Amino acid sequence: QKEVEQNSGPLSVPEGAIASLNCTYSDQGSQSFFWYRQYSGKSPELIMFIYSNGDKEDGRFTAQLNKASQYVSLLIRDSQPSDSATYLCAVNKGDFGNEKLTFGTGTRLTIIP
Amino acid sequence: EAGVTQFPSHSVIEKGQTVTLRCDPISGHDNLYWYRRVMGKEIKFLLHFVKESKQDESGMPNNRFLAERTGGTYSTLKVQPAELEDSGVYFCASRATALMNTEAFFGQGTRLTVV
Repeated sequence: QKEVEQNSGPLSVPEGAIASLNCTYSDQGSQSFFWYRQYSGKSPELIMFIYSNGDKEDGRFTAQLNKASQYVSLLIRDSQPSDSATYLCAVNKGDFGNEKLTFGTGTRLTIIP
Repeated sequence: EAGVTQFPSHSVIEKGQTVTLRCDPISGHDNLYWYRRVMGKEIKFLLHFVKESKQDESGMPNNRFLAERTGGTYSTLKVQPAELEDSGVYFCASRATALMNTEAFFGQGTRLTVV
C-alpha cells in the first residue's frame, strides 16, 4: 500500500463546474497535508495546506481533512482552463525539525472550455 | 526575490559517467531538500539539510549519490557513477524554518537522462 494514494486521472471537468480531487494516506501520525499544483515542466507550487479536521477555504479552493478516515480532498469551484494541471497531495511526516513531504503520484486535471 | 534555482535544467549522460546537480535555495532559507521523481512514480524524498548539516539522508538510494551544502548556501548532488535507473527529475526545495506548516518552495527541477 502506498503511503499517499491519489487517483491518477485524467479527471475532466467542464469549465465553471466543481473539480474534486481526493487523497488518502496510510500513516495515522501524519500531521499536516498539502496540495501542490504542477504545470507540465514547471515546479510544484503550493495551493493550500491543512492540519485541522474540517474545511479550509481560500478563494476558489477548499481543502477538506478527515483524520479519522485518513482522507484529504481539494475542491476547486468555478473551474477555469488555467486550473488544468497535475495536483499533488503531500503529507508532512517526520519529527519536529525534520519534516519531509511524502507525495502521491498526482491527479491530472483537465478543464474543458 | 529570486526563487529556488536549479542547474542544469536538463542533463543527458552515459551510464558510468558522473553528473553534478546544483541547487540555489531562496536566500536565508536554512532548510534545503532534495527530491526525485522517477518516470511514472511519485516524487520521493532524498535528503534534508539544515544549514550545512545533513538532518536526514534516509531517502538517498545508495552510496553513488553524494550531497553537499558547503557553507550552508547552495547545494550539489553528485551521482557517480550514474546508472540507467537514476534517470528522472531531481527537485530541490527550500524552507525558511523548520516549523511544521511553513511552505517549501520548489525549483523547476533537473531532468536527468542516463543512456
